[in-house]
Amino acid sequence: NAGVTQTPKFRVLKTGQSMTLLCAQDMNHEYMYWYRQDPGMGLRLIHYSVGEGTTAKGEVPDGYNVSRLKKQNFLLGLESAAPSQTSVYFCASVGDSTYEQYFGPGTRLTVT
Amino acid sequence: KNEVEQSPQNLTAQEGEFITINCSYSVGISALHWLQQHPGGGIVSLFMLSSGKKKHGRLIATINIQEKHSSLHITASHPRDSAVYICAVGKPRGNLIFGKGTKLSVKP
Repeated sequence: NAGVTQTPKFRVLKTGQSMTLLCAQDMNHEYMYWYRQDPGMGLRLIHYSVGEGTTAKGEVPDGYNVSRLKKQNFLLGLESAAPSQTSVYFCASVGDSTYEQYFGPGTRLTVT
Repeated sequence: KNEVEQSPQNLTAQEGEFITINCSYSVGISALHWLQQHPGGGIVSLFMLSSGKKKHGRLIATINIQEKHSSLHITASHPRDSAVYICAVGKPRGNLIFGKGTKLSVKP
């Protein structure tokens, strides 16, 4: 099993550009999450999904959109990137019976 | 005031020392997670607790629900234990609130 994978690993965007981050998991988990991690702050939840076709807002959803068209994939979109969205983005899924958190390797995004 | 407070923020230890990292929280929870973030950035789950104590190798995690406090202990610390340790609270599959992390450095 690959676990949780994220694409891309690094990206530099100019202000106003758009992009999509892809998270994929091969563990058949229902629950998936997108977090951002900034220096001096704990991980913060952007959006989450409790199953295919469902999404919900987390703590810091503004400027982001998500989609969960397939159970194994959770996409995070930035429609018009801003410097404040410079961060490291982590995707995670949660084991359905163990409740263990599985994290992807992260995507380092810089918006100039 | 942060809902999840970790102490210390930074910790330097000599190889072989017994290490304790603390986590206090102010919200009602049903689960507490301890996570390890490696210097390269990857995050792995160490424990999920809802009561009592769990042990895995040299790592021990305890939780006191009444006092809203958890501790992570590392026995016989080793340089490979150097990492950021993160406490997170919430529901087992619900939204988690994360602490800012404790950066541990173990010197040989």
